[in-house]
Amino acid sequence: EVQLVQSGPEVKKPGESLKISCKGSGYNFSNYWIGWVRQMPGKGLEWMGIINVADSDTRYSPSFQGQVTISVDKSISTAYLQWSSLKASDSAMYYCASRGAFDTWGQGTMVTVSS
Amino acid sequence: QSALTQPASVSGSPGQSITISCTGTSSDVGGYNLVSWYQQHPGKAPKLLIYEVTKRPSGVSYHFSGSKSGNTASLTISGLQAEDEADYYCCSYATTSYVFGTGTKVTVL
Repeated sequence: EVQLVQSGPEVKKPGESLKISCKGSGYNFSNYWIGWVRQMPGKGLEWMGIINVADSDTRYSPSFQGQVTISVDKSISTAYLQWSSLKASDSAMYYCASRGAFDTWGQGTMVTVSS
Repeated sequence: QSALTQPASVSGSPGQSITISCTGTSSDVGGYNLVSWYQQHPGKAPKLLIYEVTKRPSGVSYHFSGSKSGNTASLTISGLQAEDEADYYCCSYATTSYVFGTGTKVTVL
């Protein structure tokens, strides 16, 4: 079965660091780009950035450039999204997506940042 | 890189057809045939309905169709069904990455 499985929900304090993951299976992980999408509570979808698994070429949407880091370890078919210093405004659901026109999505990782 | 513009809500009765518009610029919608549409039910991950403006992935119902004219793309749902009630998002490639639309809530009356 083709799927992306994301890491579990996180509860963090402002200023803490965080790295969430997205593991692909059932297809050739290295053949595709992987994207990360933010959805704040009750709001729409926002592209954060995309990474080419084959060569780690990474493109960030302007709003997220410098705010997060996207990386990948193709040896274990896993992509990552990380923050060095979380803010309350980072509280959201985060999805990874891949394959072609992004036809495969992870189940989402809920991140809550609160003091 | 601003979000693409969609109507906030569209409604229709069962069996009717509705169309959702998605307006961008020549740097995104108008510049590439890389517009896709996603459906999202509450609490669920988005699902790809249309890609490359008009193409339907395997398993997606024929009653979803896409088109584009200039800087505006459209999603048409023919024969509206109760299960079509959801949020819909367009998405376009935009120079180096992607951009979503503002989202449209479809209500089946």
